[in-house]
Amino acid sequence: KQEVTQIPAALSVPEGENLVLNCSFTDSAIYNLQWFRQDPGKGLTSLLLIQSSQREQTSGRLNASLDKSSGRSTLYIAASQPGDSATYLCAVQYSGGGADGLTFGKGTHLIIQP
Amino acid sequence: DVKVTQSSRYLVKRTGEKVFLECVQDMDHENMFWYRQDPGLGLRLIYFSYDVKMKEKGDIPEGYSVSREKKERFSLILESASTNQTSMYLCASSQGLYTGELFFGEGSRLTVL
Repeated sequence: KQEVTQIPAALSVPEGENLVLNCSFTDSAIYNLQWFRQDPGKGLTSLLLIQSSQREQTSGRLNASLDKSSGRSTLYIAASQPGDSATYLCAVQYSGGGADGLTFGKGTHLIIQP
Repeated sequence: DVKVTQSSRYLVKRTGEKVFLECVQDMDHENMFWYRQDPGLGLRLIYFSYDVKMKEKGDIPEGYSVSREKKERFSLILESASTNQTSMYLCASSQGLYTGELFFGEGSRLTVL
């Protein structure tokens, strides 16, 4: 079964820095990969969805890349702000499952220091 | 914008009570999901549905049931709540079997005493 790993589990950086969050997956036969943000006690907010045929997606200060062959995705956050503090999760829709073939990483807890 | 609404943000129930968690989406999505989220365990799929009156077990269906009588509504039922069902419950929906973007509700924090 697909395994999704996010390293590091936690990250603290000063405001204004550019940063990269990592997501790796074991099975490259995927349909898509999605990045989410979760604030404490809240649900998940979709940030970016990358289909398997795409290499990257951008939304504002966020850029997500996908390298299926190496089983990796990165979420790049430019000019970080305290409001970016949250837990970031990636999820992979893999070909081995149906609508339930979605595997989540456990997230990276990000703190942006003012 | 897609909106997934979970009827209760916080619930406190007693052991043995029957609990209903309601979820409604307004984008005519085919697929709807119920997850629970626990510290250290991440998100785990309880049940999902890809059509009205259809349901499929996820990874941890024991102690739960679901109902999908209308396309926009997916209910999670705890027939007899137990303390180990204290958790954050998340409903989600998507369009398209493999390629759809997943949208989540705000979550329902359930405490079983």
